[in-house]
Amino acid sequence: AQSVTQLGSHVSVSEGALVLLRCNYSSSVPPYLFWYVQYPNQGLQLLLKYTSAATLVKGINGFEAEFKKSETSFHLTKPSAHMSDAAEYFCAVTNTGFQKLVFGTGTRLLVSP
Amino acid sequence: NAGVTQTPKFQVLKTGQSMTLQCAQDMNHNSMYWYRQDPGMGLRLIYYSASEGTTDKGEVPNGYNVSRLNKREFSLRLESAAPSQTSVYFCASFDSSSYEQYFGPGTRLTVT
Repeated sequence: AQSVTQLGSHVSVSEGALVLLRCNYSSSVPPYLFWYVQYPNQGLQLLLKYTSAATLVKGINGFEAEFKKSETSFHLTKPSAHMSDAAEYFCAVTNTGFQKLVFGTGTRLLVSP
Repeated sequence: NAGVTQTPKFQVLKTGQSMTLQCAQDMNHNSMYWYRQDPGMGLRLIYYSASEGTTDKGEVPNGYNVSRLNKREFSLRLESAAPSQTSVYFCASFDSSSYEQYFGPGTRLTVT
């Protein structure tokens, strides 16, 4: 069985500060990992994905994530937060041949001026 | 490309009423999904369809039925709505070459 744990339902940062959103996964086979972002009253859109190529993955809007097998982690980072980054972020896991995504419970990012 | 579209955007039902949520995708994807999103619980899979003519239960199927009408369309039906079904419902389709799911804008359903 696969699962995802996102630590912290809310994360608050100041504009210009480092953003770090944590995601740990559990999977019995090599995982594919995703970060999705949801802006208020909208659907989810893909930020970035890891599908067994480079372990450091760059996504849209300056976000990146690093796959660390030894730590079973896929944390999302951005060097400098912007007000427009305020949204909810979801980590998700799947694997080859398994078309269902398993989502974490989400982390709401709050950015203050 | 419109991507994944959902209708309606908002709906209010009384307990016991029925309704169908519509979803369509124009990306020629085989697999489609219905999720519900509730505060603090992330997205939970209700039903999915791996291909036209097939459907399977997800994590929370009770109280729902689905129809994969053709490759483009996947509908979700509530036969007798209950307040516990108040939620935001998302439809998604799956690109098997990129392993990405594409989401619709959601339907906000309130059952009173």
